[in-house]
Amino acid sequence: RKEVEQDPGPFNVPEGATVAFNCTYSNSASQSFFWYRQDCRKEPKLLMSVYSSGNEDGRFTAQLNRASQYISLLIRDSKLSDSATYLCVPKGTNAGKSTFGDGTTLTVKP
Amino acid sequence: EAGVVQSPRYKIIEKKQPVAFWCNPISGHNTLYWYLQNLGQGPELLIRYENEEAVDDSQLPKDRFSAERLKGVDSTLKIQPAELGDSAVYLCASSPRDGNNEQFFGPGTRLTVL
Repeated sequence: RKEVEQDPGPFNVPEGATVAFNCTYSNSASQSFFWYRQDCRKEPKLLMSVYSSGNEDGRFTAQLNRASQYISLLIRDSKLSDSATYLCVPKGTNAGKSTFGDGTTLTVKP
Repeated sequence: EAGVVQSPRYKIIEKKQPVAFWCNPISGHNTLYWYLQNLGQGPELLIRYENEEAVDDSQLPKDRFSAERLKGVDSTLKIQPAELGDSAVYLCASSPRDGNNEQFFGPGTRLTVL
């Protein structure tokens, strides 16, 4: 089993919709995470960090459920520019090692 | 501030040929990562450096892959000989310290092995 599992999607939503997807993790020692977004044929870039208290940045809300070992990313009022692949990764818990999920692909349509 | 620089951006070679990728991290970043990314998958760690020391190379196929980070700054990743299955994007990333910090990725090198 991979350390981090993500629903690959694709999630196809209309503009203005609210969409959410999850990332499950197996290492119970993980306490905080990153969400990265990766545009087609581009490198990953940090979207936001996720701590036990969750995190909100504009239309994006990330939450951590430690009991069920998953993190979620909620996007409100989706924009066309939100179309991308979203990768989750635990912050280093083993001497700084990081393991990325395979990502969830979101397509926002007009 | 300049980001992570990688070269070449694209490389096409025939199988069994050698190939090398170069990475210049963000100035002051001690930690450097090399990842391999296949289509539809997340980045897979090949090797991580703390300064000039390779602290995690457990996923590096050492029979054909090698890496170095002389002087703890630039790094090169080499494949010799390349195989068809090595076709992928090779990403370099750097961070100020270890995996507890944001990683800044370079644009990657897209390798095609024919």
